[in-house]
Amino acid sequence: GESVGLHLPTLSVQEGDNSIINCAYSNSASDYFIWYKQESGKGPQFIIDIRSNMDKRQGQRVTVLLNKTVKHLSLQIAATQPGDSAVYFCAEVLTTSGTYKYIFGTGTRLKVLA
Amino acid sequence: DVKVTQSSRYLVKRTGEKVFLECVQDMDHENMFWYRQDPGLGLRLIYFSYDVKMKEKGDIPEGYSVSREKKERFSLILESASTNQTSMYLCASSLFWGSYNEQFFGPGTRLTVL
Repeated sequence: GESVGLHLPTLSVQEGDNSIINCAYSNSASDYFIWYKQESGKGPQFIIDIRSNMDKRQGQRVTVLLNKTVKHLSLQIAATQPGDSAVYFCAEVLTTSGTYKYIFGTGTRLKVLA
Repeated sequence: DVKVTQSSRYLVKRTGEKVFLECVQDMDHENMFWYRQDPGLGLRLIYFSYDVKMKEKGDIPEGYSVSREKKERFSLILESASTNQTSMYLCASSLFWGSYNEQFFGPGTRLTVL
């Protein structure tokens, strides 16, 4: 929703440029990592995920990089478009005793400049 | 496409009122979740359910209860609303328990408690 983004860091990118959004995660035992996009007034939308045994995964115009050494996750968006303007946040998924715990980051607002 | 719908987009209630938030998913998912989303904080899990009539507490269940009488419907109940429950509430569903799988989110209900 609109007020969710009020206190978030903002990344401003020129249309057509590449965007890189970063996320630090907390638990070295997390099994999966997910990136979500949340447009104003909408619920989060899944973009891409990556398993902990991988360090890179590519989707359509997006690439996720995982650096387990420093517990860092990044989302790269190629040729950023106005429709990419949104809040992006990461989540880590931790398996404990057969249950799945999702830990969500606070997000980064991406602004695409025309 | 999976569709998760929430009964209201905006809701204004008074302190002490009983509040019902309804969520319906149309893809026969086993799991359903209720989160709240506040500025500067990541999504926080209130309750989840992995089957009809089953419920599990999340990270912040105090002041909330849930009901899952049918597979497609998961209700969040605020027995006596308080101003600190003013928030964006997000419902999500996923296919099955037992392994990681994608969560699909509804559009959210912005609740204001006066």
